[in-house]
Amino acid sequence: DAGVTQSPTHLIKTRGQQVTLRCSPKSGHDTVSWYQQALGQGPQFIFQYYEEEERQRGNFPDRFSGHQFPNYSSELNVNALLLGDSALYLCASSLEGIQGGETQYFGPGTRLLVL
Amino acid sequence: GQNIDQPTEMTATEGAIVQINCTYQTSGFNGLFWYQQHAGEAPTFLSYNVLDGLEEKGRFSSFLSRSKGYSYLLLKELQMKDSASYLCAVRRGGKLIFGQGTELSVKP
Repeated sequence: DAGVTQSPTHLIKTRGQQVTLRCSPKSGHDTVSWYQQALGQGPQFIFQYYEEEERQRGNFPDRFSGHQFPNYSSELNVNALLLGDSALYLCASSLEGIQGGETQYFGPGTRLLVL
Repeated sequence: GQNIDQPTEMTATEGAIVQINCTYQTSGFNGLFWYQQHAGEAPTFLSYNVLDGLEEKGRFSSFLSRSKGYSYLLLKELQMKDSASYLCAVRRGGKLIFGQGTELSVKP
């Protein structure tokens, strides 16, 4: 049973550039959530995708956008990168609509460094 | 309110029992999760409480009191590999709101 996968594992960008991170959910899951985790902090919710729509969004600027594909995989795009965007980006998948099935399972993350 | 509060650091001895507390503001509460995160790795799911009481799973137990906005994670028979960050997270709607994590060091 394949777990949540993310690519790439590491990425180095410079200020002002754009980045795309990818996530494939756990087999059977239909919902993908994205989180940003700064060093020494807990993850912060960016947004959640279900049925190819952004269903819920955290307190992140419009530079952060996403997409979900028909196969439930997802992308996170960040435009006009800032130094403060350096963090571990985590994708979590879950299955909606089933009682007790909403546990979110995390992928290994993408570590982004902005120089 | 979004505040999820947990201690920043704890130290315990191998073989002992440790309790990690978490308090939260109760508005919009829809379940509480505990995750374990080793340095440089993704959080891994430990437990889920939505009703009051104790949930036991091997060496790990989690307790919830919804009226008090309080949970704890209890780790028994501590092992060196339990050294990690423990994250308390409250679900509001579909999103998880995390505390900053408790860094647990297990010493011989």
